[in-house]
Amino acid sequence: GESVGLHLPTLSVQEGDNSIINCAYSNSASDYFIWYKQESGKGPQFIIDIRSNMDKRQGQRVTVLLNKTVKHLSLQIAATQPGDSAVYFCAEKTGFQKLVFGTGTRLLVSP
Amino acid sequence: NAGVTQTPKFRILKIGQSMTLQCTQDMNHNYMYWYRQDPGMGLKLIYYSVGAGITDKGEVPNGYNVSRSTTEDFPLRLELAAPSQTSVYFCASSYLEDRVSGNTIYFGEGSWLTVV
Repeated sequence: GESVGLHLPTLSVQEGDNSIINCAYSNSASDYFIWYKQESGKGPQFIIDIRSNMDKRQGQRVTVLLNKTVKHLSLQIAATQPGDSAVYFCAEKTGFQKLVFGTGTRLLVSP
Repeated sequence: NAGVTQTPKFRILKIGQSMTLQCTQDMNHNYMYWYRQDPGMGLKLIYYSVGAGITDKGEVPNGYNVSRSTTEDFPLRLELAAPSQTSVYFCASSYLEDRVSGNTIYFGEGSWLTVV
């Protein structure tokens, strides 16, 4: 079936650096994508979303880029802080179908 | 407004035992979901419900049952626990599935289940 995956299982950065977390998706019909942050012992928390008719969307310190040509999604976190340390998931949705989650990337931020 | 509340937080079961994970939401959401998350993996949909009295299977429904007698509650039942059901379980809810966007899907804190 269709799947969403991530290139890097763990990303280590220094505080203040910019972080880029990548996600590859395989369903070219997916029209909605979401990034979630999951802290240890907590449920997923919404970060930012993007629809397939856009290629970029910015939030507070976060930017999501969508490249439909190569079916690639990325999350950029500016000025990464220790509080950003968590596992980040991408998820895709096709029409009224349920969300399909990727496996997650662990972001480790060193002071 | 408590959001999505799951109980218990932690549970150890013996093989073959049964248990129910409770989930309740106070946001009057019509859609509710149960996911499981295995170590190092993404969330897999077990069951979902589009409203009271209506439930449907997700990706990994085998070994589980659900019911939705009220809008607020969506319990998940494990009838004969197996080691393969060792996982973290998340309940979630949303308002309108056809307009669901990430920031309207609310997750509970999770229930850690170990089957030994």
